[in-house]
Amino acid sequence: NAGVTQTPKFQVLKTGQSMTLQCAQDMNHNSMYWYRQDPGMGLRLIYYSASEGTTDKGEVPNGYNVSRLNKREFSLRLESAAPSQTSVYFCASSGPRLTEAFFGQGTRLTVV
Amino acid sequence: GQQVMQIPQYQHVQEGEDFTTYCNSSTTLSNIQWYKQRPGGHPVFLIQLVKSGEVKKQKRLTFQFGEAKKNSSLHITATQTTDVGTYFCAGPLRSGDKLTFGTGTRLAVRP
Repeated sequence: NAGVTQTPKFQVLKTGQSMTLQCAQDMNHNSMYWYRQDPGMGLRLIYYSASEGTTDKGEVPNGYNVSRLNKREFSLRLESAAPSQTSVYFCASSGPRLTEAFFGQGTRLTVV
Repeated sequence: GQQVMQIPQYQHVQEGEDFTTYCNSSTTLSNIQWYKQRPGGHPVFLIQLVKSGEVKKQKRLTFQFGEAKKNSSLHITATQTTDVGTYFCAGPLRSGDKLTFGTGTRLAVRP
């Protein structure tokens, strides 16, 4: 049982480049999330998807787009990366009635 | 703005001392969850409380859910170096459709 799988684990981008972070869960969860975590800071919600076919903005959505491709997959796209987007990105999913959340291993992104 | 606050933001204790972090929500939570994130790792679920006034224990960790279901606490007795990390509370705000995480408390332990 893999849980939540995120790819890639590490990425370096140049300012202005684009990339997509992939996330997949195999627990049949409805809710999926993307967070960013800056050094020494808490989790800030970028976007979430309460169910297949729906997505909503979180606290810090600017500069990002998401796609809930199907129930399993929820991707995060940076169209034009900026140094301020250097962070660790976590994907997570949670079960019925928003119980226990499972996190991916994280993607460490550096934008130079 | 942030609707689930935790205090303190950071605490540095001597190994063997006790530690408590407090979680306060602006609205009622249907459940409260606690997570631990080790340095360089990802948050990992510890426990969930559902009932008003509920208390649960896991070895040296004691979790409590407030009577009004708007606050919670995590108490660690006799901290060890393995307790180092950031502790987050989280829960679905009333009528919410997502989990909202608290601001986190980072614990450092001096050996």
